[in-house]
Parts: sequence; C-alpha cells; structure tokens
Amino acid sequence: DIQMTQSPASLSASLEEIVTITCQASQDIGNWLSWYQQKPGKSPQLLIYGATSLADGVPSRFSGSRSGTQYSLKISRLQVEDIGIYYCLQAYSAPWTFGGGTKLELK
Amino acid sequence: EVQLVESGGGLVQPGRSLKLSCAASGFTFSNYYMAWVRQAPKKGLEWVATISTSGSRTYYPDSVKGRFTISRDNAKSSLYLQMNSLKSEDTATYYCARHVRQLDYWGQGVMVTVSS
Repeated sequence: DIQMTQSPASLSASLEEIVTITCQASQDIGNWLSWYQQKPGKSPQLLIYGATSLADGVPSRFSGSRSGTQYSLKISRLQVEDIGIYYCLQAYSAPWTFGGGTKLELK
Repeated sequence: EVQLVESGGGLVQPGRSLKLSCAASGFTFSNYYMAWVRQAPKKGLEWVATISTSGSRTYYPDSVKGRFTISRDNAKSSLYLQMNSLKSEDTATYYCARHVRQLDYWGQGVMVTVSS
C-alpha cells in the first residue's frame, strides 16, 4: 500500500502569512494527488487535483506543487476562512490513502 | 448543482448489519465512479469503498473487505453501502463522494455508531 506522510500535524499561523503543508508519498504516484479542506463540522471540500490544478471556486491564494514524491499545498496569504484541517489523497492506486491531516489554526 | 445526500445511519450493536444510502442529483450518475469515505470521531479520513460506473468493479481496503459491500442503482441515481459484522471501530461519519480520481463532490455525511 502507498503511505502518505503529511506534515506538520498542526500549524499555527497569522493572518496574511504564507502557509505550506506537505505530503510525502512512499512511492511514485505521478500527479495523482489531491488536497482537501475540512472546516469544523463540515464535509471535506476539494481544493487541488492533479497535484497542481485548482478546483472550481477555490481562491487563487491556494496552490499545489510537486517535487518528485513530495507534494505541497501553499496558502499565499492566510485568511480567517482558511482555518480547518487539510488532507492529501493519493489516487494512483488502490487502496487510495489519505495523509494524516494538518490542523491549521490562527495565531 | 451536484448534490449527494446520505441516509440510513444510526446506532447498531456489534456484529449486526446496517445499510447506508446516498441519493445523487445534479449530474449523470451512471457516468461516474462513486466512493464511500469515513471519519472516526476526532480522527482523519479513511477511504472505504469505490464502485465503477456499471457496478461491475468494486474496490475495498483490507479493513472492510469481506464485511462491506458497495453497490449502486443507476436507474435511481443511488449509491449504497451494506455493512455487515459491524465492529466498534466502524463507528464513524460516512460520506459518499463522486470519485473521478479525486473526490470532487461530497455529501454531508451520516453517523454510524456501533455500540452495545
């Protein structure tokens, strides 16, 4: 099975700060990586797919990148509404596996 | 507008069965793979099952293989998850999602509690 190691597990940042979350895949997954945001008490929502493509309606301050088997989600200027938990998901092969999540809080 | 609405959750005793449903609307259901994802209380997300467009192919992680069965009725635009031999560790919120490699639309979730 492909393991997705997500870091950090938690993160405290200030408004307008740049935030970066990473996922390390245990093997090559190409660009079959997506990112999700889950706000408290809500369902997860797709942010990024194909490692770098922005989902419909997602603000442009969110971006995704890839370097080998390491994938990153960047929030260029943190806003209050960005608070929540972020997950990556590898869709290269079954069993599809999520990262452990990153809880993003406001400093 | 794509909508996914889960139902069928509740409290069930260990070893018993429960069937979840997901009603889809706003897209051509029969053209898409569908999935179930769960989230135990205060825990992360876990993929549970995926089904192909026709229902001929299904996929499960080892944690539920042999106990859970995903199915669909394209005529009714509905997705199902039959859960047998339930264990306490199956306690979670269960989400249905449209599976196009990424999970691009999610339902609001339904809670399943396995307890005596």
